Amino acid sequence: SQQGEEDPQALSIQEGENATMNCSYKTSINNLQWYRQNSGRGLVHLILIRSNEREKHSGRLRVTLDTSKKSSSLLITASRAADTASYFCATGEGGSYIPTFGRGTSLIVHP
Amino acid sequence: DAGVIQSPRHEVTEMGQEVTLRCKPISGHNSLFWYRQTMMRGLELLIYFNNNVPIDDSGMPEDRFSAKMPNASFSTLKIQPSEPRDSAVYFCASSLYRGGDTEAFFGQGTRLTVV
Repeated sequence: SQQGEEDPQALSIQEGENATMNCSYKTSINNLQWYRQNSGRGLVHLILIRSNEREKHSGRLRVTLDTSKKSSSLLITASRAADTASYFCATGEGGSYIPTFGRGTSLIVHP
Repeated sequence: DAGVIQSPRHEVTEMGQEVTLRCKPISGHNSLFWYRQTMMRGLELLIYFNNNVPIDDSGMPEDRFSAKMPNASFSTLKIQPSEPRDSAVYFCASSLYRGGDTEAFFGQGTRLTVV
């Protein structure tokens, strides 16, 4: 079974709008990571947030983590057509450091 | 570094044939993962190696699947005999694990089609 599950499954927005994706997980974690996958390519690491952190920023990306709710969100601000991709969260089950992925959110940004 | 290198990029084979997928991890990385991605099941972890030793192979679907890592710079995933339901994109990823947070670096994947 998946450790993390992203929501929504698909998201379609206009360029310039913000995109928010959510991730829920089941067990305790050491960290939570977000990855991006362009069509036909491998996954690329975006950002890592540790279990003792609540928010982290990287460029136009903002990640929050709520360990009490076992959930995280990824916000992409001022989206661009080039942000079109699938986004995955990854955690380690039960505190493991082996990344286990959800099914991803497919983001389409219309120019 | 060229990143994680997988070969072949595409493989089409007939049911019953043996298939071998190859992976060269990033030099210096001590952890290697094989994942399988399908629309139905998403991205599934098949097996995890640390320092060339298989640590967790609970995700390997059945005995038809086997993986080896003879040295730090090479790993294979073999399917024998292959079946149509094995059709998927197979990813290899590597990371440097030093007891703390680490990110995984993915190859471009091998798209396997079993007809």
